[in-house]
Amino acid sequence: LAKTTQPISMDSYEGQEVNITCSHNNIATNDYITWYQQFPSQGPRFIIQGYKTKVTNEVASLFIPADRKSSTLSLPRVSLSDTAVYYCLVGGDGATNKLIFGTGTLLAVQP
Amino acid sequence: SAVISQKPSRDICQRGTSLTIQCQVDSQVTMMFWYRQQPGQSLTLIATANQGSEATYESGFVIDKFPISRPNLTFSTLTVSNMSPEDSSIYLCSVDGRGETEAFFGQGTRLTVV
Repeated sequence: LAKTTQPISMDSYEGQEVNITCSHNNIATNDYITWYQQFPSQGPRFIIQGYKTKVTNEVASLFIPADRKSSTLSLPRVSLSDTAVYYCLVGGDGATNKLIFGTGTLLAVQP
Repeated sequence: SAVISQKPSRDICQRGTSLTIQCQVDSQVTMMFWYRQQPGQSLTLIATANQGSEATYESGFVIDKFPISRPNLTFSTLTVSNMSPEDSSIYLCSVDGRGETEAFFGQGTRLTVV
């Protein structure tokens, strides 16, 4: 399984754009890159998924370079309610589709 | 999408006892997954539960401590046996997160062992 590395924490202010980068040097050819958000006392929630180039939805954008060894989650104009832990995942495991979580990035948005 | 209901949402248990956590999904799913999230930590996969077969446990987790049932395609239970304070965590169930689709998680069960 491809291991992911992302910053432990980030700080931002309301209205700013936040970019969280994740490294996954050992990504496999058939692996997708998925980001989840977790608020305290809740289970993780899907944000966005991509395979290559750029993906955008109503919540975020995901930028993936050609070599796919990293990805960047972009949150436009964050608000206080975006304070959460953000997890970057690669895969799942081909046989069982299980998800292996890394450390995640705690994003703290301040007023 | 899938809606997952976990019960109980929280519990305080005496050491040496066992607690069974239930996970109900509103649709039939092939795989269900159980995770543990210790305070301030990320999620750690405990086991994968397929209907009609034994659960597959990750390194560091054993069936005697965390027996799992999967009687049908919409339901699973995880038992935390002979609990100690080190078992105090949030336990979450999740349903199939294939490479191309999102995974869905329950709200979690916050367990405190005293």
